[in-house]
Amino acid sequence: AQKITQTQPGMFVQEKEAVTLDCTYDTSDPSYGLFWYKQPSSGEMIFLIYQGSYDQQNATEGRYSLNFQKARKSANLVISASQLGDSAMYFCAMRDFSASKIIFGSGTRLSIRP
Amino acid sequence: EAQVTQNPRYLITVTGKKLTVTCSQNMNHEYMSWYRQDPGLGLRQIYYSMNVEVTDKGDVPEGYKVSRKEKRNFPLILESPSPNQTSLYFCASSLGSGGAYSVDTQYFGPGTRLTVL
Repeated sequence: AQKITQTQPGMFVQEKEAVTLDCTYDTSDPSYGLFWYKQPSSGEMIFLIYQGSYDQQNATEGRYSLNFQKARKSANLVISASQLGDSAMYFCAMRDFSASKIIFGSGTRLSIRP
Repeated sequence: EAQVTQNPRYLITVTGKKLTVTCSQNMNHEYMSWYRQDPGLGLRQIYYSMNVEVTDKGDVPEGYKVSRKEKRNFPLILESPSPNQTSLYFCASSLGSGGAYSVDTQYFGPGTRLTVL
């Protein structure tokens, strides 16, 4: 069965430091996609980055990069040079393309200290 | 502006009183989905739809119904709400044609906060 695990319920990071948010997943389907979303205190869900299971390179979007280690089934989000505005909940999610379902992890609350 | 809209944004109701939360998208997306968000549990998929007249259960479908009569609309129906359905609900849509080789971003609505007394 599909599963997404985020083992860090909360993290504190100093402003301007890099931060890695962990995500491991489990699926038997070779075709899947991995997403990261940000949810600020206002509540909206903001798409950050996507990695397809066949992508050879790690996805990058500005200060966000996804450290995709397929053999280890991990898809960690790396935020470089963190900013105060990065304080939010972060969710990892996976879409299994054979089942078309999408599952989310339980989230990591990131707090950036000035 | 490309968007997913949900109505109402906030709703307080009583046990057993049928309600509908509407969801509409203007991006001609094939795939639409409903989630509920509860503290410590992340988002859990309730129902999803690959296209018009095609719907399927997610991980927590009990107590909910959906319909997809038009491509743009995907209402969530609670026939007899109960207090354990108190939650934050999100509707989302995506092209649906993506796969492991291409990005298939989900766009989320603003959320509906439902309280069932």
